Amino acid sequence: TQLLEQSPQFLSIQEGENLTVYCNSSSVFSSLQWYRQEPGEGPVLLVTVVTGGEVKKLKRLTFQFGDARKDSSLHITAAQPGDTGLYLCAGEDRGSTLGRLYFGRGTQLTVWP
Amino acid sequence: NAGVTQTPKFQVLKTGQSMTLQCAQDMNHNSMYWYRQDPGMGLRLIYYSASEGTTDKGEVPNGYNVSRLNKREFSLRLESAAPSQTSVYFCASSEIGLTYEQYFGPGTRLTVT
Repeated sequence: TQLLEQSPQFLSIQEGENLTVYCNSSSVFSSLQWYRQEPGEGPVLLVTVVTGGEVKKLKRLTFQFGDARKDSSLHITAAQPGDTGLYLCAGEDRGSTLGRLYFGRGTQLTVWP
Repeated sequence: NAGVTQTPKFQVLKTGQSMTLQCAQDMNHNSMYWYRQDPGMGLRLIYYSASEGTTDKGEVPNGYNVSRLNKREFSLRLESAAPSQTSVYFCASSEIGLTYEQYFGPGTRLTVT
């Protein structure tokens, strides 16, 4: 069972364009994390959102947690080739076994110069 | 401070062979995890260890065993490798806190022929 659905699965854009990646679920999560993974490496944490409605900004990246804590979005403004990578969302459910994260399948982003 | 280390980085096995993937972390984290990553499938949890001395099955445990050797080390064993176990394997660790942010190793790329 895939608890988190990410869309789109692939995204190919030109440098300077804006984009949004979505992460949706029917489950409520204690927190939602976003990771970026580059080829040949492990995922690296970008941000964690904890409170429903929370918005966090990391330079040109804006992360939002839905009011009901079931969904999240990642918006990138003026994308650059360095943003290329696999973006993964992960939900933490403390109602189940502590410490487990449930990962979405990822969005592969390619930004062309 | 190396974070999470994994050995080996690459491995080729023949069907039926066995091997152990090693993982160590130097962040004094209590929890450790093993994931596999296949194209289009995201990260799937194989086994995890919430604390030293405990292990639990994740989503895809069949064909694998784990050992939490001490607080630092968490190994994954394939007793009789099958082509379906061809994948990239990631180890991760985390600590109890406000959120369960996970720190990943660089991965082991395993091919079973």
